[in-house]
Amino acid sequence: SQTIHQWPATLVQPVGSPLSLECTVEGTSNPNLYWYRQAAGRGLQLLFYSVGIGQISSEVPQNLSASRPQDRQFILSSKKLLLSDSGFYLCAWEGRRGKAYEQYFGPGTRLTVT
Amino acid sequence: GENVEQHPSTLSVQEGDSAVIKCTYSDSASNYFPWYKQELGKGPQLIIDIRSNVGEKKDQRIAVTLNKTAKHFSLHITETQPEDSAVYFCAASRKSSASKIIFGSGTRLSIRP
Repeated sequence: SQTIHQWPATLVQPVGSPLSLECTVEGTSNPNLYWYRQAAGRGLQLLFYSVGIGQISSEVPQNLSASRPQDRQFILSSKKLLLSDSGFYLCAWEGRRGKAYEQYFGPGTRLTVT
Repeated sequence: GENVEQHPSTLSVQEGDSAVIKCTYSDSASNYFPWYKQELGKGPQLIIDIRSNVGEKKDQRIAVTLNKTAKHFSLHITETQPEDSAVYFCAASRKSSASKIIFGSGTRLSIRP
């Protein structure tokens, strides 16, 4: 069966520091991968998605970037964090069932920028 | 752009009663409508979905309905239990190929004992 991992689970970083969040998927190959951010009490904002190694689409212009160095690895980065980057970051993978694609989320990383 | 509106933002029901969450979507080409449940501090979990060729789908105490003409879809939870308390998200997408899912803003459901 497929599983998705995210780490770290929680992170507290000062303003201006770099960021690296990692997401890995097991049990599937060539999945579509997604990064979302969820502000406190809010909905899901799509940040990036990837349909393959080295292929990244950005949905929201900001100081974050994403990379996919391996088929089942998706990384979210920043060179200098802002206070507004605080939130709950969710990685998701997308699998096909019949004619439809379904997204499955990881456990998330809670980032607090101080 | 595509948009999904979800109501209400908060909902409190007595244990054992029913809860209904409603969503509308703007993209008439949407054909896949998943619902996610998010418990505190966890990632959302897919609980049920419906495709555009179906008007209603049921799974135990959970049912979803879809009105493509009106571009409305709803989640119905019957005989609510304390463990149903969570934030629920509706979503819509064109799922004939891999593409973005547009999420609603979420409904915080509380079940009163």
